[in-house]
Amino acid sequence: EIVLTQSPGTLSLSPGERATLSCRASQSVTNNYLAWFQQKPGQAPRLLIYDASSRATGIPDRFSGSGSATDFTLTISRLEPEDFAVYFCHQCAHSPITFGQGTRLEIK
Amino acid sequence: QVQLQESGPGLVKPSETLSLSCTVSGGSISRDYWSWIRQTPGKGLEWIGYIYHSGSTNYNPSLKSRVTISADTSKNQFSLNLSSVTAADTAVYYCTRGGGWLPDSWGQGTLVTVSS
Repeated sequence: EIVLTQSPGTLSLSPGERATLSCRASQSVTNNYLAWFQQKPGQAPRLLIYDASSRATGIPDRFSGSGSATDFTLTISRLEPEDFAVYFCHQCAHSPITFGQGTRLEIK
Repeated sequence: QVQLQESGPGLVKPSETLSLSCTVSGGSISRDYWSWIRQTPGKGLEWIGYIYHSGSTNYNPSLKSRVTISADTSKNQFSLNLSSVTAADTAVYYCTRGGGWLPDSWGQGTLVTVSS
């Protein structure tokens, strides 16, 4: 099983700042099948990024993904008030499919 | 755009079987991958398993002995049965759709509590 470790656990920033979230895999993720989800309280996760760097439909371009093999990053270039949420990384290259434990992005 | 809606009891007794259904609209369960994923504060998001081509399945080894996922193409629904539940199975359960293994569309989720 691939274990995904996200850091930091909590990130405190202000609107307008840049956010950098990390996801490290315990082994290489084949074809970079690594995705990022955003989850707000009481809602289901929403797909932001897939295949490490491709934005899902309707996702603003301030969200970008990068990385390969075992190290991946989600960057939010300029934080908007609606971006404060929990973010999960996810690998769908190897069964069982797994998720990271999440990074909480909170308003400073 | 595909929409998914979970349904089923919100309370299940220990040792009994948890049964949930997911009704799909805007897409056919004869195609794509249809998964169940659950979320708890302690363990986070946990993939339970999926069904594809209306019959082939793949389950998380950690739950495999207790899980069955099935599909009813006449109702465009798929279902989850999880047997011998304990308090550790208390979670929000989501049904999802994916073109491959990636769950790109999610239901709103349903809370299932295991308690006597």
